[in-house]
Amino acid sequence: DAGVIQSPRHEVTEMGQEVTLRCKPISGHNSLFWYRQTMMRGLELLIYFNNNVPIDDSGMPEDRFSAKMPNASFSTLKIQPSEPRDSAVYFCASSLEVGRGSEQYFGPGTRLTVT
Amino acid sequence: SQKIEQNSEALNIQEGKTATLTCNYTNYSPAYLQWYRQDPGRGPVFLLLIRENEKEKRKERLKVTFDTTLKQSLFHITASQPADSATYLCALKDSSYKLIFGSGTRLLVRP
Repeated sequence: DAGVIQSPRHEVTEMGQEVTLRCKPISGHNSLFWYRQTMMRGLELLIYFNNNVPIDDSGMPEDRFSAKMPNASFSTLKIQPSEPRDSAVYFCASSLEVGRGSEQYFGPGTRLTVT
Repeated sequence: SQKIEQNSEALNIQEGKTATLTCNYTNYSPAYLQWYRQDPGRGPVFLLLIRENEKEKRKERLKVTFDTTLKQSLFHITASQPADSATYLCALKDSSYKLIFGSGTRLLVRP
């Protein structure tokens, strides 16, 4: 298995531009998570999907952020418009099931730089 | 307020020694706690899970303890090797489904 796949690995964009991050979870995993990691705030959960349905988006910073999971093998995280403070590493993770101690499998991350 | 605390200072030890990392938490009653390893430029990788009714868990050179009275977990690497150098994150499951991550402790093992 290739593991969780994320693209792009690096993204540099100018303030105000739209950014779309992509994730392919591990086949058979029911849960998908988007995280953001910065030096100041560590690893923060942004949104969680179970069986393609968004369950909790309380970690999404503001309306500029949106996430979708149109099917079990694909999810996107969109930032529109992007701002310099959105610069961070964004991780997608998947797990077999939530709540019973299933470990999360993380992708390699997308390093986003907004200038 | 709820907190998970890991030592922000790097732990620097000699190869062959035992590394001990600490994870303290307040105002949580986690059902379980997990430890992850993160290398630079990569995503975290799961290492071990310990449940609230377990005192200790082992896997090869790794050992995790969980003291719900002290609200603390200790992560040990015995016979440490330079390849063990990485950042180690603890994560606990809160009252919902979420995993809450600590900020991590960087371990440096000198040859």
